[in-house]
Amino acid sequence: EVQLVESGGGLVKPGGSLRLSCAASGFTFTNAWMSWVRRAPGKGLEWVGRIKTKADGGTTDYAAPVKGRFAISRDDSQDTLSLQMNSLKTEDTAVYYCVTDIGEVWGQGTLVTVSS
Amino acid sequence: DIQLTQSPSFLSASVGDRVTITCRASQGISSYLAWYQEKPGKAPKLLIYPASTLQRGVPSRFSGSGSGTEFTLTISSLQPEDFATYFCQQLNSYPRTFGQGTKVEFK
Repeated sequence: EVQLVESGGGLVKPGGSLRLSCAASGFTFTNAWMSWVRRAPGKGLEWVGRIKTKADGGTTDYAAPVKGRFAISRDDSQDTLSLQMNSLKTEDTAVYYCVTDIGEVWGQGTLVTVSS
Repeated sequence: DIQLTQSPSFLSASVGDRVTITCRASQGISSYLAWYQEKPGKAPKLLIYPASTLQRGVPSRFSGSGSGTEFTLTISSLQPEDFATYFCQQLNSYPRTFGQGTKVEFK
């Protein structure tokens, strides 16, 4: 079964850090460009960033609101995608989804709450 | 950034109705547009990508059309399981952007 399973969400204070993970199974993760997408409470979907495959250079792109604070990485040996979130702000509160780049596969999401 | 404007935001319809949702891009995106269906508590499901290509397993009552800046998602005969929120996403350039969504409700 093709699946993405996120973990690592929780409550963190403003200015804090959190690392999300996404475990992939059922498809060749090494060949997949991967993205993170989020949905803040009561808001629409917002693309966070993307990482290419190692074969395509492994480069990343980020949305302006998170650039310089968030970092996406991948461990192809473990079929795992990560999102390191630093200097968190209240406006980063959202459900974070791990997604294949063209959106064929989505995880169930993990909630990140940034609050004092 | 490319802005996507969906219309309408809400739509009331009955089983059997033909439903059309529009997504307009602020600049040309060729056919790099995806349509998703989202139900409460579930991850979004890719229905169509690129603009008019139905994903495997998606019922043929769903169809997509358009290119450039104007796109439509049509459900030819609305079924009970189709009451959901639909949104578009452009995959022409980064940052990827989404439409604000169209909620299809039971009339």
